[in-house]
Amino acid sequence: DIQMTQSLSTLSASVGDRVSITCRASQSVSSWLAWYQQKPGKAPKLLIYKASTLETGVPSRFSGSGSGTEFTLTISSLQPDDFATYYCQQYNSYPLTFGGGTKVEIK
Amino acid sequence: QVQLVESGGGVVQPGRSLRLSCAASGFTLSSYGVHWVRQAPGKGLEWVAVISYDRSNKYYAASVKGRFTISRDTSKNTLYLQMNSLKSDDTAVYFCAKQPSVDYVPDFFDLWGRGTLVSVSS
Repeated sequence: DIQMTQSLSTLSASVGDRVSITCRASQSVSSWLAWYQQKPGKAPKLLIYKASTLETGVPSRFSGSGSGTEFTLTISSLQPDDFATYYCQQYNSYPLTFGGGTKVEIK
Repeated sequence: QVQLVESGGGVVQPGRSLRLSCAASGFTLSSYGVHWVRQAPGKGLEWVAVISYDRSNKYYAASVKGRFTISRDTSKNTLYLQMNSLKSDDTAVYFCAKQPSVDYVPDFFDLWGRGTLVSVSS
């Protein structure tokens, strides 16, 4: 199984900050990586797929980069609506696996 | 409106069974691979199972293989998860989710339901 690791479980930031969240795979997943945003009591929402492709309707302040085993989700200017938990997910092979999540909280 | 709506969750004793449903509206469920993903209270996301668009392929997480069965009813546009021999570790919110592709190949999830809570407790 491919293990996905998000090294930071919590990240404190302020509105307007540039925020980067990292995700590492235990083996190469090429570019088969997605990012989701989840708010309490809600379903996850797709932000990015194929490592860097922005889902339709997602604000352009979100961007993704990386390939192989190292990936980054960047929020260029943090907005109040962005305080949430972010998960990466590999879809290179079954079983599909998620990172443990990074909670972005208000500093 | 394109959406997925889960139902069937509740409190169940260890060792018992439960069947979850996921009704699709606004699109044809049988045109896509569809999955179950769960989230234990306060924890991260765990993929559970997938069924291909034509029901010919099914994959399961090791933690549920042999106990859970994924299926779909094309006439009802509904996905199911039959859960047998339930354990306390199965306590979670269960989400159904569709992938954008038709096949069972590994993919991401572009539409999620709101989830249904399953609590396994004596």
